[in-house]
Amino acid sequence: EAGVTQFPSHSVIEKGQTVTLRCDPISGHDNLYWYRRVMGKEIKFLLHFVKESKQDESGMPNNRFLAERTGGTYSTLKVQPAELEDSGVYFCASSPDRRRNYGYTFGSGTRLTVV
Amino acid sequence: DQQVKQNSPSLSVQEGRISILNCDYTNSMFDYFLWYKKYPAEGPTFLISISSIKDKNEDGRFTVFLNKSAKHLSLHIVPSQPGDSAVYFCAASLYNQGGKLIFGQGTELSVKP
Repeated sequence: EAGVTQFPSHSVIEKGQTVTLRCDPISGHDNLYWYRRVMGKEIKFLLHFVKESKQDESGMPNNRFLAERTGGTYSTLKVQPAELEDSGVYFCASSPDRRRNYGYTFGSGTRLTVV
Repeated sequence: DQQVKQNSPSLSVQEGRISILNCDYTNSMFDYFLWYKKYPAEGPTFLISISSIKDKNEDGRFTVFLNKSAKHLSLHIVPSQPGDSAVYFCAASLYNQGGKLIFGQGTELSVKP
């Protein structure tokens, strides 16, 4: 079974530019989560999809961030325009259901650097 | 307002000895606690979890203890191995929040041969 795939693995962009991150969850996993880790701090929740619907987007920092999951398969996270404080590692995770006792599967992350 | 805290950024242990990683939380409504392990350039990997109605869960070399009155949990690794060297994250979830996890800052464990 393929794991959660994220690309690109690294992205360096200038302040004011646009970047789109992509996540391919494990096939059949309805739940998809985005998280971010900034500067070696805690991993922070951004949002949660159930199939194509946004279940919880309470962690999205501001309206420069837009997440989509068309068709309930892969998801994209667009940052437009990027600011310096958006730098960090963006993780995607997926799970087949919302049972929480076994955790879910994370991708390797996209390291975003805004210069 | 950080609800899950790991106050030790790093821990160094000799191979074969016990590693104890600690985590404190503030929200008494958390109902599941999880530990994740993360190697450089990889995503976090689920390690072990515990329900808030339990005080101990064991899986091989890994045991998690929960002290609800102190709002404290700990992960014990016995015996520690060099391959255990990684960043360990404590996380908590609320029953009505769809699987959303609240993470601590992580503790970097180094197991020396």
